[in-house]
Amino acid sequence: GAGVSQSPRYKVAKRGQDVALRCDPISGHVSLFWYQQALGQGPEFLTYFQNEAQLDKSGLPSDRFFAERPEGSVSTLKIQRTQQEDSAVYLCASSWGRENTEAFFGQGTRLTVV
Amino acid sequence: DAKTTQPTSMDCAEGRAANLPCNHSTISGNEYVYWYRQIHSQGPQYIIHGLKNNETNEMASLIITEDRKSSTLILPHATLRDTAVYYCIVRDLRRSNDYKLSFGAGTTVTVRA
Repeated sequence: GAGVSQSPRYKVAKRGQDVALRCDPISGHVSLFWYQQALGQGPEFLTYFQNEAQLDKSGLPSDRFFAERPEGSVSTLKIQRTQQEDSAVYLCASSWGRENTEAFFGQGTRLTVV
Repeated sequence: DAKTTQPTSMDCAEGRAANLPCNHSTISGNEYVYWYRQIHSQGPQYIIHGLKNNETNEMASLIITEDRKSSTLILPHATLRDTAVYYCIVRDLRRSNDYKLSFGAGTTVTVRA
């Protein structure tokens, strides 16, 4: 497809389990973003990549959160030792460049930690 | 501090124009006004953006007041598929760290038949 693809769409994890969320951005998009959206709230910024470089990770809530984009295309958001407060929808977005006016979002991965 | 304020919710009649207000009284001269919307269970979708002139595209129109302290997003003929949360965001594209979108709580718009 031509859009941003995220997998899995839904993930249930037991507390303490590690999870990995995948994002396939639109081909050729330089910029990639991860956002976290708690129930009933707007998305909150987590981290930003320009190609393979992670230029901003200021929004990652703890050192249990780690993101990578090793070849400048697919990105993975990893959460170690998941906690209940990690339950949220994780959204990935991509754009041609930082200055680009339009960011394209995926449908998100809904993570539920039980 | 929130840069924009929007009503929490609003209802619109199908087929009528929906006018969504946004206040951004502290907006600076270089900041653009962006609108995104998020339909249930989907990711946010870009709608439109503008600096000082009114803008129109196939989805909506954006009216920005002359003092730029507020704006209105207009959906000309609302349909049931326009039911969504609408976010008004200000961004300064010249700033090196303004690539983030600060969504806030948005306005929940319900279009009724």
